[in-house]
Amino acid sequence: ILNVEQSPQSLHVQEGDSTNFTCSFPSSNFYALHWYRWETAKSPEALFVMTLNGDEKKKGRISATLNTKEGYSYLYIKGSQPEDSATYLCAFESNTGKLIFGQGTTLQVKP
Amino acid sequence: DAGITQSPRHKVTETGTPVTLRCHQTENHRYMYWYRQDPGHGLRLIHYSYGVKDTDKGEVSDGYSVSRSKTEDFLLTLESATSSQTSVYFCAIRPRDYTEQFFGPGTRLTVL
Repeated sequence: ILNVEQSPQSLHVQEGDSTNFTCSFPSSNFYALHWYRWETAKSPEALFVMTLNGDEKKKGRISATLNTKEGYSYLYIKGSQPEDSATYLCAFESNTGKLIFGQGTTLQVKP
Repeated sequence: DAGITQSPRHKVTETGTPVTLRCHQTENHRYMYWYRQDPGHGLRLIHYSYGVKDTDKGEVSDGYSVSRSKTEDFLLTLESATSSQTSVYFCAIRPRDYTEQFFGPGTRLTVL
């Protein structure tokens, strides 16, 4: 059974703080690592798909890194804003086309 | 927005009745997925399809079956609904490996 773990489960920060979350995944049969942003009452939306060890991706104030050898990825948010409040999901893609999601990190940014 | 719809959007049914949820896409994407979302569990994969008539099980497939007879439609069937299948069901599509998934709006199913 593939296990994808995210930490922390939840996080409360003040507006302007920078923060980061962790996603741990199996290092075997790795194809890609996905990050999604999920706002309450909406559907998840993709942030990044990373495939190569050492990959770094950036979108505005959000960035992510990937270490496939040790099986982890970090998501960073610089200068958090209230609109960043959401649940952030990572998903491990195996060579079967299957995606296994972690339980998510719920971020609350207080103004 | 990716052309993906789910129907119905809301359904209330009774234990023991069959239920079919439909996911429809206009993107001609290869992969289609069914997930359920429950508090404390995030998104869990029920079944997925990698082509017409090609499907495979996910983490929580017991009690569910799927069919994909056309590229655009992926049906999820609960043969005999149980209260433990009360959940929000999301469909997702993906064009090929290494690409992002696009999610549908979700179907809220309540089994009484």
